[in-house]
Amino acid sequence: AQSVTQLGSHVSVSEGALVLLRCNYSSSVPPYLFWYVQYPNQGLQLLLKYTSAATLVKGINGFEAEFKKSETSFHLTKPSAHMSDAAEYFCAVSFSGGYNKLIFGAGTRLAVHP
Amino acid sequence: GAVVSQHPSRVICKSGTSVKIECRSLDFQATTMFWYRQFPKQSLMLMATSNEGSKATYEQGVEKDKFLINHASLTLSTLTVTSAHPEDSSFYICSARGASGGADTQYFGPGTRLTVL
Repeated sequence: AQSVTQLGSHVSVSEGALVLLRCNYSSSVPPYLFWYVQYPNQGLQLLLKYTSAATLVKGINGFEAEFKKSETSFHLTKPSAHMSDAAEYFCAVSFSGGYNKLIFGAGTRLAVHP
Repeated sequence: GAVVSQHPSRVICKSGTSVKIECRSLDFQATTMFWYRQFPKQSLMLMATSNEGSKATYEQGVEKDKFLINHASLTLSTLTVTSAHPEDSSFYICSARGASGGADTQYFGPGTRLTVL
């Protein structure tokens, strides 16, 4: 069965520090991987996606993620945190074929303090 | 591009009434739309998938007679919560998938907060 695990439901960093949000997936077929961000009382905004092209994917707002097949990981990073990065982040996986159903991780709440 | 809207953004209703939520893709044709619900501080749970012009496919455990989904056009899907009860109070989010940005990507609406009294 396909699944997504996000390690750490809460992550707290200082402004200007490295952001690292972890995501591991389980899949028997090549996955498509996504990171979404959700601000309070809002829908989800796509940060970046991996769809079997380059393994290092750059997204919006300075975020990037690297697909590592050997580690079944797709961790999200940003070199320098901004106060405005405080939000909920969701990793999601879907699979080619079918109707591209997205399976979400439980989410990681990122707090950024001065 | 790839903007999805939802209406209303918030709705409060009495127990036993029905509520309709609209999801529109504003600048692309959405061949498939998805409906999710999200409880406080939790992840999104897929409720159903709808393809334009055909019946929705519901996830296990979701009552199709309670959550009626219609996807009559390539830009509009509606979710009707029939005979709503307090336990149906939740944040409902739709997403749409189409040619814009690649068929592998879902674009999400801003969500609808439903409160049933």
